[in-house]
Amino acid sequence: QVQLQESGPGLVKPSQTLSLTCTVSGGSISRSGSYWSWIRQHPGKGLEWIGYIYYSGSTYYNPSLKSRITISADTSKNQFSLKLSSVTAADTAVYYCARSSSWYGGNFDYWGQGTLVTVSS
Amino acid sequence: DIQMTQSPSSLSASVGDRVTITCRASQSISSYLNWYQQKPGNAPKLLIYTASSLQSGVPSRFSGSGSGTDFSLTINNLQPEDFATYYCQQSFGALFTFGPGTKVDIK
Repeated sequence: QVQLQESGPGLVKPSQTLSLTCTVSGGSISRSGSYWSWIRQHPGKGLEWIGYIYYSGSTYYNPSLKSRITISADTSKNQFSLKLSSVTAADTAVYYCARSSSWYGGNFDYWGQGTLVTVSS
Repeated sequence: DIQMTQSPSSLSASVGDRVTITCRASQSISSYLNWYQQKPGNAPKLLIYTASSLQSGVPSRFSGSGSGTDFSLTINNLQPEDFATYYCQQSFGALFTFGPGTKVDIK
């Protein structure tokens, strides 16, 4: 059973960089064919996919956020991370990490519990 | 980007009812449509994948259908634990997108 757990600061100041880590247990992030995503949900709103890192290390980002995102992985710790730069209040959201076992035609079958990040001075 | 819409945005139903939620894509997505259930304070949970396949462990009262641009999620014999928000999500394009959600609450 794959489990994911987000961690990171719950409060970030405007213009700073939001940094979150997802720790994966019960499965290796280096497993062939696995895509590891970040998804966010603004308060009371719907879901927005942010980007993924593939098991090979390649990444793909939502074009609407691409200029501010970096997703990386630390295979030795079985973790992957999100950095979102130049944050504003509009980046206040619950951030989830999730896994897909494929992309085209895939789905998010495992999710972390989510972590609320508030952008405020 | 492929845009997803859902209807209704909310509905009220009673235990034992049959409920149907629809989802429409802005272009054909074949059968690459997934459904999730989200309860307050929890992460979304995968219910249905590729339009009609039931995720392991999900009760059989949940079913999905559709292809192309029009899809539906049906819940038969609605149970108290089914009151939640339901999202559709397409996985046809490289950029996955979600519908805005349908909230099912108690009448």
